[in-house]
Amino acid sequence: DIQMTQSPSSLSASVGDRVTITCQASQDISNYLNWYQQKPGKAPKLLIYDASNLETGVPSRFSGSGSGTDFTFTISSLQPEDIATYYCQQYDNLPQYTFGQGTKLEIK
Amino acid sequence: QLQLQESGSGLVKPSQTLSLTCAVSGGSISSGGYSWSWIRQPPGKGLEWIGYIYHSGSTYYNPSLKSRVTISVDRSKNQFSLKLSSVTAADTAVYYCASQQLVGTFDYWGQGTLVTVSS
Repeated sequence: DIQMTQSPSSLSASVGDRVTITCQASQDISNYLNWYQQKPGKAPKLLIYDASNLETGVPSRFSGSGSGTDFTFTISSLQPEDIATYYCQQYDNLPQYTFGQGTKLEIK
Repeated sequence: QLQLQESGSGLVKPSQTLSLTCAVSGGSISSGGYSWSWIRQPPGKGLEWIGYIYHSGSTYYNPSLKSRVTISVDRSKNQFSLKLSSVTAADTAVYYCASQQLVGTFDYWGQGTLVTVSS
């Protein structure tokens, strides 16, 4: 099984800050990685697919990068509405998908 | 734009079978290239993929749940279903249905439904 390790597990930042979350795969997954945003009481929402492609309608302050085992998710300027938990998800090992444990983002 | 809506029993007794349905609107469940997934999230915890059914009817399950899971499609009602047998308290979770148009990517989600396993 491919394990996904996100860090940090929680993060507190100020409005306007640049925020970075990392996700590490236990083996090479090429660019088969997605990022989701989950607000409290809501379903997850796809933000980034194939490691670096922005889903239609998602603000450009969100971005993703990386390949192989190491990936980064960035919010260039944190907004109050970005408070959520963020998950990475691999799909290299089809048809089995695994998620990272999540990063809870709070406003300082 | 696709819309998905889960329905089913919110309370299931231990050892019984959990049954949920996901109604799809805004598109056909038989559309080529689409897959239909179930994902769950225990209270306060992370996401776990349960399995999916391809538009052709082929199914793929999480190995950790495979012996207890069945996903099926009802094309006449444009919906797909989840059955999870022999449930325990560890199966208490919010259950989401989701679509996959892009391989491996959950692009549309239902709002989720909480299923509690308790006597």
